[in-house]
Amino acid sequence: QVQLVQSGAEMKRPGASVKVSCKASGYPFTSHAIHWVRQAPGQRLEWMGWINVGNGNTKYSQKLQDRVTITRDTSASIAYMDLSSLRFEDTAVYYCARVVGFGGLDYWGQGTLVTVSS
Amino acid sequence: QSALTQPPSVSGSPGQSVTISCTGTNSDVGSYNRVSWYQQPPGTAPKLMIYEVTNRPSGVPDRFSGSKSGNTASLTISGLQAEDEADYYCSSYTSSIGWVFGEGTKLTVL
Repeated sequence: QVQLVQSGAEMKRPGASVKVSCKASGYPFTSHAIHWVRQAPGQRLEWMGWINVGNGNTKYSQKLQDRVTITRDTSASIAYMDLSSLRFEDTAVYYCARVVGFGGLDYWGQGTLVTVSS
Repeated sequence: QSALTQPPSVSGSPGQSVTISCTGTNSDVGSYNRVSWYQQPPGTAPKLMIYEVTNRPSGVPDRFSGSKSGNTASLTISGLQAEDEADYYCSSYTSSIGWVFGEGTKLTVL
């Protein structure tokens, strides 16, 4: 069965970087794009960016494009999201999700809580 | 890019129908049939309910349906059940920045 399993919770200082992994199984990894979405406590979902897993092309939200990098390792079926220069407002649950069709996210990781605290 | 506009809350009694709207612009909802809807109970990851405006993934009950008119997409839930109580989010492709989510709507089953 399709599964996306994310790395564990992280606590970081302001200004640091965090890298969250998303290991896919149960389907051909390169056949579906991966999106990253975050949700601050009590807030709405926020789209961060996506990667075409087949060719590695990426697109990022304008708000985060200077600080976020999405990559993948096709040999290990893992996607990564790297967020730099962390701020208190980056405290959120970070999700990876697989795309079906034109933009529907049909399978989601369990979420990774990233806490930015001094 | 602002979020798509959704009502903060809707409610209905078991068995009734409710509709949640999602208003964007002619740069997103109005120009692309790439609107999705997600259900998110508290403390869980979102679940895809509708994609490409009207398509239901396998396993989603046919009580859930999607539509679009102009810059506004809608999710209709008929035969409301207690288990439908959750937050609902729409999302759309947008020519300017990629993808955008709605503000979210809390559905209460009375």
